[in-house]
Amino acid sequence: DAGVIQSPRHEVTEMGQEVTLRCKPISGHNSLFWYRQTMMRGLELLIYFNNNVPIDDSGMPEDRFSAKMPNASFSTLKIQPSEPRDSAVYFCASSLGAGQGLQPQHFGDGTRLSIL
Amino acid sequence: AQSVAQPEDQVNVAEGNPLTVKCTYSVSGNPYLFWYVQYPNRGLQFLLKYITGDNLVKGSYGFEAEFNKSQTSFHLKKPSALVSDSALYFCAVRDGDYKLSFGAGTTVTVRA
Repeated sequence: DAGVIQSPRHEVTEMGQEVTLRCKPISGHNSLFWYRQTMMRGLELLIYFNNNVPIDDSGMPEDRFSAKMPNASFSTLKIQPSEPRDSAVYFCASSLGAGQGLQPQHFGDGTRLSIL
Repeated sequence: AQSVAQPEDQVNVAEGNPLTVKCTYSVSGNPYLFWYVQYPNRGLQFLLKYITGDNLVKGSYGFEAEFNKSQTSFHLKKPSALVSDSALYFCAVRDGDYKLSFGAGTTVTVRA
């Protein structure tokens, strides 16, 4: 079975540009998470969707960040405008029945974002 | 809030020796605990979880973890480490209905 698919794997862009990260969750999974990983802050949950609906976006750092899930098989994380401090590895993860929090999350291989 | 701590930033062992990665937890109520592994340039991979039942949980790649309620610990173990086990290991605890709170991670290096 295909795992969580993220694209692009690497993104290098200049400060001020719009960045869009994409995620295809595992088919049948109804929960989707976006994380950011940095050396300084470790893994941070940015936003959680359940059945395509954003449930918790309290981890989104500021209004420059937005996320959508138009259907069960696709989600985007957008940064506009981007800043150098947004440089990090961004992960998407999906799971079944996250409302009970007992199913493991399956992670994609991430997007390594560098803002110059 | 629920939390976990990984007291060691790094663990170094020789191939063939036992490997232990430590994790302690702080929760209110029943703890639901997880271990994940991250290889370079890859996402986190689920190894095992403790929900209830036996204190010794077996997982992927020959790993197991021991839940100890009195010591509030959930240490990851492997009887005989391989060079290919070199990676970053994360302990995590369920925090609320869907969140996972991750530890800071422990880098494991297994030397040949």
